[in-house]
Amino acid sequence: EVQLVESGGGLVQPGGSLRLSCAASGFSFSTYAMHWVRQTPGKGLEYVSAISSSGGSTYYANSLKGRFTISRDNSKNTLYLQMGSLRGEDMAVYYCARSNSGYDNWGQGTLVTVSS
Amino acid sequence: EIVMTQSPATLSVSPGERATLSCRASQSVSTNLAWYQQKPGQAPRLLIYGASTRATGIPARFSGSGSGTEFTLTISSLQSEDFAVYYCQQYNNWWTFGQGTKVEIK
Repeated sequence: EVQLVESGGGLVQPGGSLRLSCAASGFSFSTYAMHWVRQTPGKGLEYVSAISSSGGSTYYANSLKGRFTISRDNSKNTLYLQMGSLRGEDMAVYYCARSNSGYDNWGQGTLVTVSS
Repeated sequence: EIVMTQSPATLSVSPGERATLSCRASQSVSTNLAWYQQKPGQAPRLLIYGASTRATGIPARFSGSGSGTEFTLTISSLQSEDFAVYYCQQYNNWWTFGQGTKVEIK
């Protein structure tokens, strides 16, 4: 069974940093591109970032302006999202998702709250 | 950025009836279009990919059609577990979602 389990969310002050993790199991992690997607009540579902299966290529939503970094460790079957200079508009539930003609598997999500 | 527009925002349907949801892309996405179902407190679940192919384990009452800029998700006979929010997503040119259609009980 495919499982994706996010962790690392929480409360952070504006301007702060946070690192999200996504532990994958039940499939050959190193053969799939992986994405981060976030969801807010106001903006709905929004693609955040993507990384190729090898980690050699990374992609980001234009709105992030270089504040986030996606990475992966295929030896640990884990995906990461390093988030910096956090703003109120980054407050959301963050999901990791497996990319396979759309997103065929999602984690349960981790909540990021940005507030002073 | 390709903008995805879903209609209607809310659809009120009685159990057993057919539901038809629409999704329009601001430019052609070919058939690189997926549909998701989301229930409160849960992650989205993939229903349809390639505009018309059901994902693993998805019941046959869910069907997708369309290509280019116009797409439709049809639920042939609504069951109680189908009342949820549905999103379309294009993955032809980066990845963007529609704003969702809520299917509620009439």
